[in-house]
Amino acid sequence: EPEVTQTPSHQVTQMGQEVILRCVPISNHLYFYWYRQILGQKVEFLVSFYNNEISEKSEIFDDQFSVERPDGSNFTLKIRSTKLEDSAMYFCASNSVGYGYTFGSGTRLTVV
Amino acid sequence: GQQLNQSPQSMFIQEGEDVSMNCTSSSIFNTWLWYKQEPGEGPVLLIALYKAGELTSNGRLTAQFGITRKDSFLNISASIPSDVGIYFCAGYPGGATNKLIFGTGTLLAVQP
Repeated sequence: EPEVTQTPSHQVTQMGQEVILRCVPISNHLYFYWYRQILGQKVEFLVSFYNNEISEKSEIFDDQFSVERPDGSNFTLKIRSTKLEDSAMYFCASNSVGYGYTFGSGTRLTVV
Repeated sequence: GQQLNQSPQSMFIQEGEDVSMNCTSSSIFNTWLWYKQEPGEGPVLLIALYKAGELTSNGRLTAQFGITRKDSFLNISASIPSDVGIYFCAGYPGGATNKLIFGTGTLLAVQP
Protein backbone atom coordinates (compact mmCIF):
# COMPACT_ATOMS: atom_id res chain seq x y z
CA GLU A 1 0.00 0.00 0.00
CA PRO A 2 1.35 3.48 -0.89
CA GLU A 3 2.82 5.42 2.01
CA VAL A 4 3.71 8.96 2.93
CA THR A 5 7.32 8.94 4.13
CA GLN A 6 8.72 11.46 6.58
CA THR A 7 12.29 12.08 7.67
CA PRO A 8 13.77 12.40 10.19
CA SER A 9 11.60 10.58 12.68
CA HIS A 10 13.02 12.67 15.51
CA GLN A 11 14.84 15.99 15.41
CA VAL A 12 16.32 17.84 18.36
CA THR A 13 17.33 21.43 17.75
CA GLN A 14 18.45 24.45 19.69
CA MET A 15 16.07 27.37 20.04
CA GLY A 16 16.63 29.86 17.25
CA GLN A 17 17.96 27.29 14.80
CA GLU A 18 16.40 26.53 11.45
CA VAL A 19 14.94 23.08 10.81
CA ILE A 20 13.71 21.42 7.64
CA LEU A 21 11.27 18.54 7.88
CA ARG A 22 11.01 16.34 4.84
CA CYS A 23 8.18 14.39 3.32
CA VAL A 24 7.62 12.24 0.26
CA PRO A 25 3.87 12.25 -0.47
CA ILE A 26 2.08 9.51 -2.40
CA SER A 27 3.09 9.92 -6.01
CA ASN A 28 -0.30 10.38 -7.68
CA HIS A 29 -1.76 12.64 -4.99
CA LEU A 30 -2.34 16.27 -5.80
CA TYR A 31 -2.76 17.93 -2.41
CA PHE A 32 -0.13 18.06 0.29
CA TYR A 33 -0.43 19.15 3.89
CA TRP A 34 1.42 19.75 7.08
CA TYR A 35 -0.27 19.25 10.42
CA ARG A 36 1.14 19.36 13.89
CA GLN A 37 0.19 17.74 17.18
CA ILE A 38 1.42 19.11 20.46
CA LEU A 39 1.82 16.30 22.99
CA GLY A 40 -1.55 15.14 24.28
CA GLN A 41 -3.55 17.46 22.04
CA LYS A 42 -5.47 17.15 18.82
CA VAL A 43 -4.05 17.32 15.33
CA GLU A 44 -3.96 20.91 14.02
CA PHE A 45 -3.86 22.10 10.43
CA LEU A 46 -0.86 24.17 9.38
CA VAL A 47 -0.89 24.48 5.61
CA SER A 48 -2.16 22.95 2.38
CA PHE A 49 -0.29 23.01 -0.92
CA TYR A 50 -1.63 22.45 -4.40
CA ASN A 51 -0.30 23.13 -7.86
CA ASN A 52 3.01 24.37 -6.48
CA GLU A 53 1.58 26.98 -4.19
CA ILE A 54 0.03 27.36 -0.78
CA SER A 55 -3.74 27.03 -1.05
CA GLU A 56 -4.57 27.62 2.59
CA LYS A 57 -2.77 28.23 5.87
CA SER A 58 -3.73 28.57 9.49
CA GLU A 59 -2.87 31.33 11.92
CA ILE A 60 -0.18 29.04 13.35
CA PHE A 61 1.64 29.15 10.00
CA ASP A 62 3.30 32.53 10.44
CA ASP A 63 6.34 34.06 8.74
CA GLN A 64 8.65 31.62 10.51
CA PHE A 65 7.18 28.75 8.49
CA SER A 66 7.56 28.00 4.81
CA VAL A 67 6.87 25.05 2.54
CA GLU A 68 8.45 23.98 -0.68
CA ARG A 69 8.20 21.25 -3.28
CA PRO A 70 11.78 21.39 -4.54
CA ASP A 71 11.37 18.53 -7.01
CA GLY A 72 8.72 16.10 -8.20
CA SER A 73 8.70 13.97 -5.09
CA ASN A 74 9.69 15.90 -1.95
CA PHE A 75 7.62 18.30 0.13
CA THR A 76 9.38 20.20 2.91
CA LEU A 77 8.42 22.31 5.92
CA LYS A 78 10.98 24.83 7.11
CA ILE A 79 10.87 26.58 10.45
CA ARG A 80 13.26 29.50 10.22
CA SER A 81 13.97 30.25 13.87
CA THR A 82 12.57 27.61 16.18
CA LYS A 83 10.91 28.43 19.48
CA LEU A 84 10.30 26.17 22.45
CA GLU A 85 6.58 26.09 21.65
CA ASP A 86 7.34 24.64 18.20
CA SER A 87 8.06 21.32 19.92
CA ALA A 88 5.46 18.90 18.56
CA MET A 89 4.86 16.01 16.20
CA TYR A 90 4.68 17.26 12.65
CA PHE A 91 2.69 15.18 10.21
CA CYS A 92 2.79 15.38 6.45
CA ALA A 93 -0.26 14.15 4.54
CA SER A 94 -1.45 13.91 0.98
CA ASN A 95 -4.66 13.10 -0.83
CA SER A 96 -6.64 13.39 -4.00
CA VAL A 97 -9.65 15.67 -4.00
CA GLY A 98 -12.46 14.64 -1.67
CA TYR A 99 -10.75 11.59 -0.19
CA GLY A 100 -9.33 10.99 3.24
CA TYR A 101 -5.76 11.94 3.78
CA THR A 102 -2.91 9.50 4.12
CA PHE A 103 -0.63 10.63 6.91
CA GLY A 104 3.05 9.96 7.39
CA SER A 105 4.42 8.61 10.67
CA GLY A 106 5.49 12.07 11.72
CA THR A 107 8.62 13.89 12.82
CA ARG A 108 8.97 14.56 16.51
CA LEU A 109 10.55 17.98 16.83
CA THR A 110 12.09 18.85 20.18
CA VAL A 111 13.34 22.40 20.65
CA VAL A 112 15.70 22.86 23.58
CA GLY B 1 -13.96 28.46 14.04
CA GLN B 2 -15.41 25.05 13.30
CA GLN B 3 -14.93 22.49 16.01
CA LEU B 4 -15.59 18.81 16.40
CA ASN B 5 -16.34 17.60 19.91
CA GLN B 6 -15.79 13.95 20.70
CA SER B 7 -17.18 11.94 23.54
CA PRO B 8 -16.23 10.26 25.66
CA GLN B 9 -12.73 11.65 26.20
CA SER B 10 -11.51 8.25 27.32
CA MET B 11 -12.77 4.71 27.76
CA PHE B 12 -11.36 1.82 29.76
CA ILE B 13 -12.99 -1.45 28.80
CA GLN B 14 -12.53 -5.21 29.00
CA GLU B 15 -11.55 -7.24 25.99
CA GLY B 16 -14.64 -8.47 24.17
CA GLU B 17 -16.81 -5.47 25.01
CA ASP B 18 -18.41 -3.30 22.38
CA VAL B 19 -17.45 0.37 22.20
CA SER B 20 -19.28 3.41 20.94
CA MET B 21 -17.94 6.92 20.53
CA ASN B 22 -19.33 9.95 18.81
CA CYS B 23 -18.49 13.27 17.33
CA THR B 24 -20.64 16.38 17.07
CA SER B 25 -20.34 19.77 15.49
CA SER B 26 -22.33 22.97 15.51
CA SER B 27 -21.82 23.29 11.76
CA ILE B 28 -22.30 21.03 8.76
CA PHE B 29 -19.56 18.80 7.42
CA ASN B 30 -19.58 17.27 3.95
CA THR B 31 -17.38 14.30 4.73
CA TRP B 32 -16.68 12.50 7.98
CA LEU B 33 -13.59 10.43 8.59
CA TRP B 34 -12.49 8.28 11.48
CA TYR B 35 -8.79 7.87 12.24
CA LYS B 36 -6.88 5.81 14.78
CA GLN B 37 -3.57 6.97 16.19
CA GLU B 38 -1.17 4.74 18.07
CA PRO B 39 1.69 6.12 20.17
CA GLY B 40 4.44 7.69 18.08
CA GLU B 41 2.56 7.15 14.83
CA GLY B 42 0.51 9.24 12.45
CA PRO B 43 -3.27 8.92 12.22
CA VAL B 44 -4.43 5.98 10.12
CA LEU B 45 -7.70 6.21 8.23
CA LEU B 46 -10.29 3.66 9.39
CA ILE B 47 -13.53 4.68 7.71
CA ALA B 48 -14.63 7.48 5.37
CA LEU B 49 -18.26 8.63 5.10
CA TYR B 50 -19.39 10.75 2.17
CA LYS B 51 -23.18 10.99 2.34
CA ALA B 52 -25.61 11.97 5.07
CA GLY B 53 -27.17 8.85 6.58
CA GLU B 54 -24.43 6.59 5.23
CA LEU B 55 -23.57 3.58 7.38
CA THR B 56 -20.26 1.91 6.60
CA SER B 57 -18.44 -1.05 8.09
CA ASN B 58 -14.79 -2.06 8.08
CA GLY B 59 -14.41 -5.40 9.85
CA ARG B 60 -15.43 -4.90 13.48
CA LEU B 61 -15.81 -1.15 12.95
CA THR B 62 -19.03 0.55 11.95
CA ALA B 63 -19.52 4.27 11.45
CA GLN B 64 -22.45 6.44 10.45
CA PHE B 65 -22.72 9.90 8.95
CA GLY B 66 -25.56 11.66 10.76
CA ILE B 67 -28.60 12.80 8.83
CA THR B 68 -28.12 16.41 9.96
CA ARG B 69 -24.47 16.25 8.77
CA LYS B 70 -23.46 17.55 12.17
CA ASP B 71 -22.56 14.28 13.82
CA SER B 72 -21.08 10.83 13.37
CA PHE B 73 -20.53 7.77 15.51
CA LEU B 74 -18.02 4.94 15.49
CA ASN B 75 -18.74 1.53 16.98
CA ILE B 76 -16.16 -1.17 17.63
CA SER B 77 -17.53 -4.63 18.31
CA ALA B 78 -15.81 -7.34 20.36
CA SER B 79 -12.81 -5.19 21.26
CA ILE B 80 -9.32 -6.69 21.37
CA PRO B 81 -6.12 -5.37 22.99
CA SER B 82 -4.75 -4.04 19.71
CA ASP B 83 -7.72 -1.66 19.47
CA VAL B 84 -5.90 0.50 22.01
CA GLY B 85 -5.18 4.00 20.73
CA ILE B 86 -6.68 7.42 20.25
CA TYR B 87 -9.61 7.63 17.86
CA PHE B 88 -10.15 10.91 16.07
CA CYS B 89 -13.09 11.98 14.03
CA ALA B 90 -12.32 14.45 11.28
CA GLY B 91 -14.36 16.29 8.72
CA TYR B 92 -14.26 18.41 5.63
CA PRO B 93 -16.41 21.49 6.16
CA GLY B 94 -16.75 21.90 2.41
CA GLY B 95 -16.66 25.04 0.37
CA ALA B 96 -13.35 26.24 -0.98
CA THR B 97 -11.27 24.50 1.66
CA ASN B 98 -9.64 21.08 1.50
CA LYS B 99 -8.57 21.43 5.11
CA LEU B 100 -9.45 18.62 7.48
CA ILE B 101 -10.76 19.55 10.93
CA PHE B 102 -9.92 17.08 13.68
CA GLY B 103 -11.93 16.24 16.74
CA THR B 104 -10.57 16.22 20.27
CA GLY B 105 -10.01 12.46 20.32
CA THR B 106 -11.20 9.49 22.36
CA LEU B 107 -8.57 7.46 24.17
CA LEU B 108 -9.43 3.76 24.22
CA ALA B 109 -7.77 1.35 26.62
CA VAL B 110 -8.61 -2.36 26.44
CA GLN B 111 -7.83 -4.67 29.32
CA PRO B 112 -7.08 -8.28 28.27
